Amino acid sequence: DAGVIQSPRHEVTEMGQEVTLRCKPISGHNSLFWYRQTMMRGLELLIYFNNNVPIDDSGMPEDRFSAKMPNASFSTLKIQPSEPRDSAVYFCASRPVTEAFFGQGTRLTVV
Amino acid sequence: GQQLNQSPQSMFIQEGEDVSMNCTSSSIFNTWLWYKQDPGEGPVLLIALYKAGELTSNGRLTAQFGITRKDSFLNISASIPSDVGIYFCAGQLIGGSQGNLIFGKGTKLSVKP
Repeated sequence: DAGVIQSPRHEVTEMGQEVTLRCKPISGHNSLFWYRQTMMRGLELLIYFNNNVPIDDSGMPEDRFSAKMPNASFSTLKIQPSEPRDSAVYFCASRPVTEAFFGQGTRLTVV
Repeated sequence: GQQLNQSPQSMFIQEGEDVSMNCTSSSIFNTWLWYKQDPGEGPVLLIALYKAGELTSNGRLTAQFGITRKDSFLNISASIPSDVGIYFCAGQLIGGSQGNLIFGKGTKLSVKP
């Protein structure tokens, strides 16, 4: 299995632009998570899906952030409009039951 | 919200030394997971613990699920340079949402050759 696949690995964008991060979970895992990692706040859960349905989005910072999971093999995290304070590493993770498996992350820089 | 207190925040040790780190909480967990994150990579699962008192090893790594269910420990014996990285604990709350793992802030390990 290729593991959790995220794209792009790096994204540099200008403030105000729309950013879309993509994730392909491990096949057969029924839960998918989006995390944000910064030096100051560590790993923060943004949203998670169970069987493609959003269960808890209380970690989404504000309305500029949105996430979708149209099917079991694909999810997106969108930021519109992006701001410099959104700069961070964004991780996607999937779980069969308990153990979460992480992708390599997308390093987002908003200038 | 629930929090995990992970300590120490950072460690500088000599190659060959043993390492200990732990996570504690006021909440009760039914699962403890330990991850390692290398620079530029995502966290990788090292050890999973599912029962109070459980002691599990993975090579030079040993982790324990505390009897009270409120803590967990990770030990690394005879450290080597490739042990460098950030180690995270994560806990699944008893009665908590099935999806949510709570992560500690991490322990950054540096090893001097």
